[in-house]
Amino acid sequence: EDQVTQSPEALRLQEGESSSLNCSYTVSGLRGLFWYRQDPGKGPEFLFTLYSAGEEKEKERLKATLTKKESFLHITAPKPEDSATYLCAVQVSWGDDKIIFGKGTRLHILP
Amino acid sequence: DTGVSQNPRHKITKRGQNVTFRCDPISEHNRLYWYRQTLGQGPEFLTYFQNEAQLEKSRLLSDRFSAERPKGSFSTLEIQRTEQGDSAMYLCASSRKQGAGNTEAFFGQGTRLTVV
Repeated sequence: EDQVTQSPEALRLQEGESSSLNCSYTVSGLRGLFWYRQDPGKGPEFLFTLYSAGEEKEKERLKATLTKKESFLHITAPKPEDSATYLCAVQVSWGDDKIIFGKGTRLHILP
Repeated sequence: DTGVSQNPRHKITKRGQNVTFRCDPISEHNRLYWYRQTLGQGPEFLTYFQNEAQLEKSRLLSDRFSAERPKGSFSTLEIQRTEQGDSAMYLCASSRKQGAGNTEAFFGQGTRLTVV
């Protein structure tokens, strides 16, 4: 069964303390991997798409990387406004374009 | 604003009543997805459309749930005989099918349903 697992479930960091969030996936065929940010009570906000192993994308303090089995979201020198839930999602195979999500990592940056 | 729009934003209903939510996708997007999200969980796939065709429906979805996209533009999600367990955020997303693949999906702000 196609599955997306994110770790840790929650992470508390001091402002400026860099870290990484993990997304591991077991799918029949990966079409694309997506990272989203979600603030409380709002819909997910798109951050990145990764298509193939070795690919990297950057946006401000965030960098997403992809291997054959997992993706990392690296956050460098985070600020309190980076506090949110970060969701990983995969689009499975070429014929079935369903997008499935992990449970997310709740990130809290302390000032 | 050309983002995904969902209405209403909040809905409180009594158990046993029927409710209907509406989603207006980004205009050039032909794919439309419905998800359900409960507190502390990621979005759970419900169903999706390409144009007006419903391509897949989650096997976890009760027969009380039905979705339509009659003209390939806006979509509605109806829940009949609501139960307290239906309380959740219902999210809609849209994307554009491009060749054999997809562009990324963009989400609306969701409809929060509370069944009392």
